[in-house]
Amino acid sequence: ELKVEQNPLFLSMQEGKNYTIYCNYSTTSDRLYWYRQDPGKSLESLFVLLSNGAVKQEGRLMASLDTKARLSTLHITAAVHDLSATYFCAGKNLYNFNKFYFGSGTKLNVKP
Amino acid sequence: KAGVTQTPRYLIKTRGQQVTLSCSPISGHRSVSWYQQTPGQGLQFLFEYFSETQRNKGNFPGRFSGRQFSNSRSEMNVSTLELGDSALYLCASSLGGTGPNEKLFFGSGTQLSVL
Repeated sequence: ELKVEQNPLFLSMQEGKNYTIYCNYSTTSDRLYWYRQDPGKSLESLFVLLSNGAVKQEGRLMASLDTKARLSTLHITAAVHDLSATYFCAGKNLYNFNKFYFGSGTKLNVKP
Repeated sequence: KAGVTQTPRYLIKTRGQQVTLSCSPISGHRSVSWYQQTPGQGLQFLFEYFSETQRNKGNFPGRFSGRQFSNSRSEMNVSTLELGDSALYLCASSLGGTGPNEKLFFGSGTQLSVL
């Protein structure tokens, strides 16, 4: 069964700084997803990574995938307070349809 | 385009009771999945329905069941509630295919408290 581990679990950073969240997975994952969750809110899709070497960027967030290392990263550039949220990565195998395996989440707090 | 709608938003029940949660997917989406979110276990997959058929299920006891109607709306039922069932239950819809743009769209969830 696919296991997904994220680190760190908590991240407190100053505005303007850069940081990276790491997502390791245990076995082959056909897709890798990143989601954001604000307190008391639902999950919002950020990125879908399909293949080795995939890189996607949206604003101050950039996600990448290394299938050989079974590693995805979410890089935050020049953090702003609005990025404070919990970030989840999730993997799935196509034969399992929509059975996603989520990491524990990284709670990011960006201090002004 | 309306998003995924879950009702009710909050529920308080007592042990031994049963509960039914409802989910209306995004128009055109044929797959509905259910997830349980707790601080201790995180997000765990319950089951997925596609075209009224359950096509995958997670490792939850038989007290957890679901169904999907012909209009793709889905319900989830939990019988004989236990304290440990207290959680945020999230519904997610998608087209249900395997294409590169396939992803889950989540509702706001139903917060269930079992006393």
